[in-house]
Amino acid sequence: QSALTQPASVSGSPGQSITISCTETSSDVGTYNLVSWYQQHPGKAPKLMIYDVSKRPSGVSNRFSGSKSGNTASLTISGLQAEDESDYYCCSYAGSSTWVFGGGTKLTVL
Amino acid sequence: EVQLLESGGGLVQPGGSLRLSCAPSGFTFSTYAVTWVRQAPGKGLEWVSTISGSGGSTYFADSVKGRFTISRDNSKNTLFLQMNSLRAEDTAVYYCAKTTADLAFDIWGQGTMVTVSS
Repeated sequence: QSALTQPASVSGSPGQSITISCTETSSDVGTYNLVSWYQQHPGKAPKLMIYDVSKRPSGVSNRFSGSKSGNTASLTISGLQAEDESDYYCCSYAGSSTWVFGGGTKLTVL
Repeated sequence: EVQLLESGGGLVQPGGSLRLSCAPSGFTFSTYAVTWVRQAPGKGLEWVSTISGSGGSTYFADSVKGRFTISRDNSKNTLFLQMNSLRAEDTAVYYCAKTTADLAFDIWGQGTMVTVSS
């Protein structure tokens, strides 16, 4: 059972903004502000989109942003585009060199 | 170009063993921790194991502890995952991923499929 809970699916129309939540259900996980987000297209390897809650790696569009409030981290995608349709996973460092992933969220662009 | 390339996947019977390899390029391998992450068919990502840059420290998910071993040969730029006592629930695509100082996974291989079935 994952210690990070994500909605199974979210959807939005092109140009809109959507937010995917990631709620920490384990106090160990919530101790660290080391949340990252990954995009995974079908049959492809995951791609790092956000790290350290809100930092963007070089090359990732600024339409992607991350935040955290309390025990819930969020990934927001603004100006939704067709190519954003993908699975998204949050991940948190859980201490003692262990990590936990959320169950994943399927984003559909209508 | 910074990349990782996994190999060694295949079909193995329950109780059998398999060794996966991961070959990095484009970065100083010994400087970074490296991690294995797996994904069962149609399921989400699961952290499996991490090894420090020197190889001196290793960490495992409870689901594989005692059955899997992670190692690296920095002189040959290769990462390994030795999987023993394999079970049907170990069936997955296994990815190796470069682990940053910020404890995120910034570079991923294309994955190698492991199928445990009789």
